[in-house]
Amino acid sequence: QQQVKQSPQSLIVQKGGISIINCAYENTAFDYFPWYQQFPGKGPALLIAIRPDVSEKKEGRFTISFNKSAKQFSLHIMDSQPGDSATYFCAASKTQAGTALIFGKGTTLSVSS
Amino acid sequence: EPEVTQTPSHQVTQMGQEVILRCVPISNHLYFYWYRQILGQKVEFLVSFYNNEISEKSEIFDDQFSVERPDGSNFTLKIRSTKLEDSAMYFCASSRIGQGQETQYFGPGTRLLVL
Repeated sequence: QQQVKQSPQSLIVQKGGISIINCAYENTAFDYFPWYQQFPGKGPALLIAIRPDVSEKKEGRFTISFNKSAKQFSLHIMDSQPGDSATYFCAASKTQAGTALIFGKGTTLSVSS
Repeated sequence: EPEVTQTPSHQVTQMGQEVILRCVPISNHLYFYWYRQILGQKVEFLVSFYNNEISEKSEIFDDQFSVERPDGSNFTLKIRSTKLEDSAMYFCASSRIGQGQETQYFGPGTRLLVL
């Protein structure tokens, strides 16, 4: 019940294309869904996050789509750039401070120029 | 912009030795966390800490692990007797109280190699 399933494991996208990464969760108590971006040798950095009271959140080229009934959420990267090449992790937790972030297994994105 | 810092960046130790990983959380944050990431795998939660007490811990955080806030700025993770399978990247994170409390900010990590 604590798992977050993420797909695909890896993704290759042409520059300018749309990158889509999907996640599914099981625990209905989760109410905070962040995406983290990680470059090699660095710590995860928060990219964008959503709560279940909205179905979509957009920040620049990054959009989260959220489907509460299906318990799924996805990250869309529009106009993908070579600098977006990184590993992306979805995560889920409760909003309450001090609770664990449950991460997906990660998606390695390569944007070719 | 304030950030979480961690030392050392790399640590090599022999199996059975004790290691202490250090973190300086963001200054106005009061919740602290440790996560680990075995090479090529997902980030896994170890423990959260608030007001000098453990708030939550995972199955991974057994009696070999301990956390401490020895002073007003540092937060440490101790592994008493390291095992080969403890080799991983260890990330410290911190979060604030109140609005935005769910957002955890991660440090750059300490890569631990147990030989």
